[in-house]
Amino acid sequence: DVKVTQSSRYLVKRTGEKVFLECVQDMDHENMFWYRQDPGLGLRLIYFSYDVKMKEKGDIPEGYSVSREKKERFSLILESASTNQTSMYLCASRPPGFSGNTIYFGEGSWLTVV
Amino acid sequence: DAKTTQPPSMDCAEGRAANLPCNHSTISGNEYVYWYRQIHSQGPQYIIHGLKNNETNEMASLIITEDRKSSTLILPHATLRDTAVYYCIVYNQGGKLIFGQGTELSVKP
Repeated sequence: DVKVTQSSRYLVKRTGEKVFLECVQDMDHENMFWYRQDPGLGLRLIYFSYDVKMKEKGDIPEGYSVSREKKERFSLILESASTNQTSMYLCASRPPGFSGNTIYFGEGSWLTVV
Repeated sequence: DAKTTQPPSMDCAEGRAANLPCNHSTISGNEYVYWYRQIHSQGPQYIIHGLKNNETNEMASLIITEDRKSSTLILPHATLRDTAVYYCIVYNQGGKLIFGQGTELSVKP
């Protein structure tokens, strides 16, 4: 069974803390993505990576950074968490190219910043 | 970037077909259309995808217009468990997965 695993399902952090959200996939996929989801706004792309050590900004990268040191792991970093980053975060992965490969999502990480 | 637009909400009677439209008028020739759904804010669940031809699997059918500017997801016999938010996605050349706002489908008894 293919799997995208997000390390924490629920987190509560304080304003100003550094927060790490980890995502691991076991499918040897090159492409990985981080989204956040907020009521009424749908899923918005924060960052994506198409290979190890490669990253591209999505639509809302401000306040976030990412790390891709190994192919299977894509980390989202909130350098100094703020209350407006309270959200659900979703990780996804897929193989490269245009062959219509399926995209796999993790179960989501609910982050509350107080 | 190819973007998608979907109606914000739809209702469907249980046992009837649910037809969910998606507009992707700027889609490029080699971009696929994917459909996912999300229940209770869990991770999105894959439903179906296609390029040009109509596709069918055990969950749904996907109808793509000849000009590829729009598509329709069909759930042939909707059940209460199909109540969810449905997302139409186009995978674009830059590597991004661009989501639409999604359609909240309510299946009613």
